Amino acid sequence: AQSVAQPEDQVNVAEGNPLTVKCTYSVSGNPYLFWYVQYPNRGLQFLLKYITGDNLVKGSYGFEAEFNKSQTSFHLKKPSALVSDSALYFCAVSANTGGFKTIFGAGTRLFVKA
Amino acid sequence: DAGVTQSPTHLIKTRGQHVTLRCSPISGHKSVSWYQQVLGQGPQFIFQYYEKEERGRGNFPDRFSARQFPNYSSELNVNALLLGDSALYLCASSRTSGQARTDTQYFGPGTRLTVL
Repeated sequence: AQSVAQPEDQVNVAEGNPLTVKCTYSVSGNPYLFWYVQYPNRGLQFLLKYITGDNLVKGSYGFEAEFNKSQTSFHLKKPSALVSDSALYFCAVSANTGGFKTIFGAGTRLFVKA
Repeated sequence: DAGVTQSPTHLIKTRGQHVTLRCSPISGHKSVSWYQQVLGQGPQFIFQYYEKEERGRGNFPDRFSARQFPNYSSELNVNALLLGDSALYLCASSRTSGQARTDTQYFGPGTRLTVL
């Protein structure tokens, strides 16, 4: 069965510092991995995805994520955090079986302090 | 281009009632998926429709049903509402069923359903 774990409920970082939001996954076969961000009273906005190829994926708003197959991880990173990055971040996985039955993690709330 | 749109934005119902939520996908997108997001949790997959056919179903009771119309818009219906159905219901659209590696789901703003 597919599953996603986001071990941190909350991540606090100072503006200008690098940030990392952790995600580990379990899936049969090759995974499709995604990061989405959710602002208050808004739907989910797509940040980036890993399908195949380079392990470092670059996405929107300066975010990137590193796929590590041996550790089954897909951590979200940004070199320099902004206060406006404060939001709820979701990691998600789909098995490479077709369809979009996507499994989401519970989410990590990111607080960036000025 | 307009993004995924959902209506209504908010809805209040009482236990036992029926509700219909609506979704219009991005122009050119043929797949619509529905998710339930309970407060404090990640979205949970309910249904996926592609070309008007059900392509996937999550672990939800038969009280939940959906359909997709020829213009690719979709409705999610929930019968015999329970307090636990209170959630944000998200609709996502994509060009294909998801088998294309380049495809991505794009989400609407959601419908906030409150069951009293």
